[in-house]
Amino acid sequence: EVQLVETGGGLVQPGRSLKLSCVASGFTFNNYWMSWTRQAPGKGLEWVASITNSGGSTYYPDSVKGRFTISRDNAQNTLYLQMNSLRSEDTATYYCTRDVGGGYDPPFFDYWGQGVMVTVSS
Amino acid sequence: EIVLTQSPTTMAASPGEKVTLTCLASSSVNYMYWYQQKSSASPKLLIYYTSSLASGVPDRFSGSGSGTSYSLTISSMEAEDAAIYYCLQLTSTPPTFGAGTKLELK
Repeated sequence: EVQLVETGGGLVQPGRSLKLSCVASGFTFNNYWMSWTRQAPGKGLEWVASITNSGGSTYYPDSVKGRFTISRDNAQNTLYLQMNSLRSEDTATYYCTRDVGGGYDPPFFDYWGQGVMVTVSS
Repeated sequence: EIVLTQSPTTMAASPGEKVTLTCLASSSVNYMYWYQQKSSASPKLLIYYTSSLASGVPDRFSGSGSGTSYSLTISSMEAEDAAIYYCLQLTSTPPTFGAGTKLELK
């Protein structure tokens, strides 16, 4: 059974940093791209970052580029999201996803973790 | 960035009723993906590559469309289908989600 368990959320002041972790199990982690997607309270979904299975390439939207860094440790089956210079608009539930497929489209998000809440406030 | 417009924003359906949700893209995309999110839960993949049913998803769900117009259909509404449904495009970077359609049980 595929499981994705996120940790590391909490309350943080604007301008500070936070690092999220996602421990994966139930599949061969180093065979899959992985991503982070977030959801502000009462709002829709926003893609945050993706990483290839080797970790050699990473992708971000403009809203977090230069502030967030996605990385992975394939030996530990763990995905990370380092978030720096946090803003109030980064307040959201952050979901880790396993990405599958590829071809005409990039891999899509098939399994989602339960999410971890990040609140940016003074 | 490709904008996905979902309609309706909110709707209610009776048990057994056929439901069709629409997602319009501002530019042509290769495929559409659909997710279901029940209150306080994480999103669940329903449809990938426009019309392929994800594992474990009841066959009353189906997807169709091409180019800029896509739809998700529930052939016969059940109480457990009350949720918010999101479409997703991956063709163009950044990946973008629609704002969602809230489906309620009448």
